[in-house]
Parts: sequence; C-alpha cells; structure tokens
Amino acid sequence: AQKVTQAQTEISVVEKEDVTLDCVYETRDTTYYLFWYKQPPSGELVFLIRRNSFDEQNEISGRYSWNFQKSTSSFNFTITASQVVDSAVYFCALQGSVQGGSEKLVFGKGTKLTVNP
Amino acid sequence: DVKVTQSSRYLVKRTGEKVFLECVQDMDHENMFWYRQDPGLGLRLIYFSYDVKMKEKGDIPEGYSVSREKKERFSLILESASTNQTSMYLCASSGDWGSNEQFFGPGTRLTVL
Repeated sequence: AQKVTQAQTEISVVEKEDVTLDCVYETRDTTYYLFWYKQPPSGELVFLIRRNSFDEQNEISGRYSWNFQKSTSSFNFTITASQVVDSAVYFCALQGSVQGGSEKLVFGKGTKLTVNP
Repeated sequence: DVKVTQSSRYLVKRTGEKVFLECVQDMDHENMFWYRQDPGLGLRLIYFSYDVKMKEKGDIPEGYSVSREKKERFSLILESASTNQTSMYLCASSGDWGSNEQFFGPGTRLTVL
C-alpha cells in the first residue's frame, strides 16, 4: 500500500523565518513520483514540484527548496524567508506505478502554514 | 494555460436530492479525477477516468457515481445526497504518463441540509 504522512498539522511562523514542511512516504514501487501542491485560501490546488524516484538531486526555486532522500523516504519542503503570501495548506503526494492506465495520486493530509506579519 | 473549471463554487442541497457536479478541462487530457477534501483527512479519491466512458473506483466511491461521455467533461453524481456528503469537491485532470502533473479546478463546496 502507498501512504504519505505529513506529521505537522499546523505550523505558525513570523515573516522572514525559514520553515520546513515534512513529508514521509511509503511505497513498494521502484518507480514513483513525488509532488508538492499549495492550496491558498482561494481553494485551488497549485502544483509546485514533481520529482521522480531516480532523481535525488535537491531542487531550489527562488525561496522554495526541496530535499529528497530515498534512504529515509522523505521529501521535505523548505521555504526560506517566509512571507505572508506563503500562508496556505501544503500537500505532499505520491504516485506509484500506473495501474489500469490511470495515474492515481495518494495525498498526505496537508500542513497548514500560517505566516504572521 | 490548462484550465479546469467546475460548474459551481458553492452549492446547497437537501437530503435525498440528486446532485450533479460538473467538471470541464480544456487541455485534451485523458485522465480526470474527483476528490473530496475534509478537514483533517486531506484529499481522498472518489472516482477517476482514464478515457471516455471508462471509470474506476477510487478510495471512497460509496454513495457516488460518475459519467464521462466526452473527453473534456467528467461529472460526479450524488444519487441521493446525505448530510455526510457535505464537503469540498475537487476535480483534476492530467495528460499522458510522461506528463503526469494533475491540474485542479477551484472546487465546489457542497452543503447538504
């Protein structure tokens, strides 16, 4: 079975602080994809990043960075110098081997980040 | 830009009513999905479809059905709405395996009284 655990339900920080959102996954597939999505108060999920299981390189995009470690089955997300606009619910998701022609995602329960001014 | 639209942002229905939630995508995607989102439970997959007229049950299909008569449109049907189906419903679509990011619609917040 596939599973994604986001142990942090809610995090509150003050603007300009760095914050890391944790994501731990379980899968028996050797080929899989990991995702992060952002859900701002407006409600629409916004894609942030996709990483495949063969690429363990860390990625940086502006203030966002992702640390993928297969040894610990983790795919953590760090926001540097957080801003109020980063306030949202963040979801980590896992997609394993395609079954029946479909591309199912398994989502974690999300981490609500509040950045206070 | 990929666009996934949902017919309503907010919907209020009564117990026992038949409810249709519509989702349309404009990127010729093969795969479409319906999720519900509840506090503390994250997103849970209800049904998905990887082709016209094809459908597969997700993790929580009970009380729901779907219809995909055209590639761009995927409908979620509550045959007899119940109060425990009050939730946020999210539709998503994705293309081929090599491009498997899911694009989400804005969501429909359904309240069943």
